[in-house]
Amino acid sequence: SAVISQKPSRDICQRGTSLTIQCQVDSQVTMMFWYRQQPGQSLTLIATANQGSEATYESGFVIDKFPISRPNLTFSTLTVSNMSPEDSSIYLCSVERTVYNEQFFGPGTRLTVL
Amino acid sequence: SQKIEQNSEALNIQEGKTATLTCNYTNYSPAYLQWYRQDPGRGPVFLLLIRENEKEKRKERLKVTFDTTLKQSLFHITASQPADSATYLCALPLRAAGNKLTFGGGTRVLVKP
Repeated sequence: SAVISQKPSRDICQRGTSLTIQCQVDSQVTMMFWYRQQPGQSLTLIATANQGSEATYESGFVIDKFPISRPNLTFSTLTVSNMSPEDSSIYLCSVERTVYNEQFFGPGTRLTVL
Repeated sequence: SQKIEQNSEALNIQEGKTATLTCNYTNYSPAYLQWYRQDPGRGPVFLLLIRENEKEKRKERLKVTFDTTLKQSLFHITASQPADSATYLCALPLRAAGNKLTFGGGTRVLVKP
C-alpha cells in the first residue's frame, strides 16, 4: 500500500485568495488524482496529474481555477484560485495501484472559504 | 460517463445482523466495480474489487456480488460490529475506456450495540 500525506490538513481562507495543497507519496507513481468532496456529497474527480505533461481536467474544472503541478513521481500540488465560499470542500489526492486498479487516498485537506 | 446510485438514507442495523448495501449504475457495463469505506474526516479506504466476470467476492466478513444484467452490485457486511459504522462508497470506471473512477454518493451505516 502507498502512504500519502497532504498539507495543510485544513485551512480557513478569505474570498478571493488562493490556496496550494500539497500531496506527497512514499513511492513513485505514474498518475496522481485530485478529487473534491463537497459537504454531504461524494467524490468528484477534478483532474489527473501527469508527470512531465499538463494535467488532464474533467468536465466542469479548468486549469485557471485549479492549476496543478507534478514536478516528480512522488509529489503534486493543487491550487484553488480566486476562492469563493462554493469552493469550501475537502480536497483529496489519490494514487492508483495499477495491478488491481484500486486507489489509495490521502487524508484530505478541509478548506473553508469565508 | 457513468452514473451511479446508492441509497442515500442511512442504514441502521443491530450488531450481529447483516447489512446489505446497493449500488446501481445506469450506463455501460464496467470492467470492474470497487467498494470503499470512508470514516468522518478521512479519505476513502479500498475494500474490495470485483471484475465483470466474477459473480461474488469475499473478504473476511465482507461479500460483494456483481450482476451485470441488473447493473447492480450488492455489498454485505455479515456479523456486523459497531466498528463497521462508516460510509461505504461504490466506484466504477468513469468511462468505458481508461482507469479513472467515478464514485457513488455513499451509504452511511450505523451499527448499534
